[in-house]
Amino acid sequence: RKEVEQDPGPFNVPEGATVAFNCTYSNSASQSFFWYRQDCRKEPKLLMSVYSSGNEDGRFTAQLNRASQYISLLIRDSKLSDSATYLCVVLGGYQKVTFGTGTKLQVIP
Amino acid sequence: NAGVTQTPKFQVLKTGQSMTLQCAQDMNHEYMSWYRQDPGMGLRLIHYSVGAGITDQGEVPNGYNVSRSTTEDFPLRLLSAAPSQTSVYFCASRSSLNQPQHFGDGTRLSIL
Repeated sequence: RKEVEQDPGPFNVPEGATVAFNCTYSNSASQSFFWYRQDCRKEPKLLMSVYSSGNEDGRFTAQLNRASQYISLLIRDSKLSDSATYLCVVLGGYQKVTFGTGTKLQVIP
Repeated sequence: NAGVTQTPKFQVLKTGQSMTLQCAQDMNHEYMSWYRQDPGMGLRLIHYSVGAGITDQGEVPNGYNVSRSTTEDFPLRLLSAAPSQTSVYFCASRSSLNQPQHFGDGTRLSIL
């Protein structure tokens, strides 16, 4: 089993739709979690951290389920500009940073 | 704010040549890392550093060397370039172990 797994997609959704991605992780001792956004041929950029109680930033909501070992990202009212690849990142023990391979989102007019 | 700066942005090498990819950060971050990203694959860790004078190997270190003589700089050296090292290279830094990484905008490297 991979340490961090994501559905690669692509998720093709119409503008205005709500879309959700999950990311599962195998190490129950993982400590910190993040979602990054990566546009084609660009560097990954931090989208948001994921807190145990769940957190929201505008149209984006991140949640953590430690019991089932997954994190999720919900995007409401999708915009064309949301089209990108979304990477989940899991921080484990000493210096252990694990990236998922990413979920590709394409928002369609 | 410059953040993490990588140079060059693009480079073409011939097999067997050597070169150094530069990475500098101005955020006083202790932790720095080098990744490569290939089509259809996730980011793979090459080398990392937890502070000046300290480096260690990541997942795919073969063919690469690093050094960390200052907090700001973390250069990556290709010793003898091979076509398999054609990739996009990202440098990243973070302030502490539980904080997210900040990435440079990458070096696109082609080995002929």
